[in-house]
Amino acid sequence: AQSVTQLDSQVPVFEEAPVELRCNYSSSVSVYLFWYVQYPNQGLQLLLKYLSGSTLVKSINGFEAEFNKSQTSFHLRKPSVHISDTAEYFCAVTDTTSGTYKYIFGTGTRLKVLA
Amino acid sequence: EAGVAQSPRYKIIEKRQSVAFWCNPISGHATLYWYQQILGQGPKLLIQFQNNGVVDDSQLPKDRFSAERLKGVDSTLKIQPAKLEDSAVYLCASSPDRVGGGYTFGSGTRLTVV
Repeated sequence: AQSVTQLDSQVPVFEEAPVELRCNYSSSVSVYLFWYVQYPNQGLQLLLKYLSGSTLVKSINGFEAEFNKSQTSFHLRKPSVHISDTAEYFCAVTDTTSGTYKYIFGTGTRLKVLA
Repeated sequence: EAGVAQSPRYKIIEKRQSVAFWCNPISGHATLYWYQQILGQGPKLLIQFQNNGVVDDSQLPKDRFSAERLKGVDSTLKIQPAKLEDSAVYLCASSPDRVGGGYTFGSGTRLTVV
């Protein structure tokens, strides 16, 4: 069964520093990959997604993620973080061969941006 | 467009009581999902509807949880009787179809069982 690993439960980083949040998934079958962000007391918001094509995908607020099939990874990066990026980030994968396209989520990484 | 609406936002009940959550998806979205998010964990799919039919309920504890989506629009999730371990945020999400365009999530219902 498909699974998602987010190794870092918490990542503290100073404002304007770069950050990488790691995500690995278990199976190399055909997948779609997603990053969601969750602010306190809110639902999850789609940050970016990889369905096909270019392996580098970008969000409107400066985040990017690269699909690496050989390493089964989809790490999220931002070159310079802001205080407002403080939130929990979830990686999700869906197996496109399963028929249901249900998402499997990782356990989340809490990004804490320090002034 | 209006987002996914959920109610109530918060609910506190005693164990062995029953509780129901309501979700109204984005208009026209055929697929609706209920996820359970326990503190410190990622969301876990409980049930997936396509229109008013169940696509996947393999992780729904059917002895106590039930869900329906009448007329293929809004949905209710019920727990009866509740246990302490059911304390979690219950998230509803919808998407236009099952293919991976990305879900839209509601704000969730935070359930505390005491």
